[in-house]
Amino acid sequence: EPEVTQTPSHQVTQMGQEVILRCVPISNHLYFYWYRQILGQKVEFLVSFYNNEISEKSEIFDDQFSVERPDGSNFTLKIRSTKLEDSAMYFCASSAPKGGTEAFFGQGTRLTVV
Amino acid sequence: QKEVEQNSGPLSVPEGAIASLNCTYSDRVSQSFFWYRQYSGKSPELIMSIYSNGDKEDGRFTAQLNKASQYVSLLIRDSQPSDSATYLCALKLTGKLIFGQGTTLQVKP
Repeated sequence: EPEVTQTPSHQVTQMGQEVILRCVPISNHLYFYWYRQILGQKVEFLVSFYNNEISEKSEIFDDQFSVERPDGSNFTLKIRSTKLEDSAMYFCASSAPKGGTEAFFGQGTRLTVV
Repeated sequence: QKEVEQNSGPLSVPEGAIASLNCTYSDRVSQSFFWYRQYSGKSPELIMSIYSNGDKEDGRFTAQLNKASQYVSLLIRDSQPSDSATYLCALKLTGKLIFGQGTTLQVKP
């Protein structure tokens, strides 16, 4: 069964460093998303991406964040200068263009900023 | 006002019983509703989607939607210890998912 894959599963970084989280969405999906979940809190939307551009972003997704689809398969989230409060699980998701509106999530990357 | 509200629980049911999970939402524009299951430390896993009023059944799971009352529920029949997890209610709004806090279900053997 097709699935969304994310790497790495766990990333530890020092405050102020840049991190790149990687995702390979399901191959025939065209909508891509990043969500995050701070420990003990709800899953929060960060950004959606379609047709090589951001279609929507939340207030959390400030200038420190960027997304890119560098080739036909990968979808990345970059955090330029990490803060302690960026520590969270980051989930990539993708959904098909029509018919289903269901989004399928990757296994997540646990980001720890120290 | 919170967009998606769930009782955080925990909801405890004995093995074999019916677990009933509830969710209310505030946005009347939403047309798509979802239930995800999340095991501790893992990612949300889609269980059910529902788009129209009424019931939708899939195996041991039944989702119910009442748009007039802005209410979505999930029934799990013949609950198993492996169903113990947090159940997330979500709605789709302008393309993105809005999640509730989740209800923790404990199924006791």
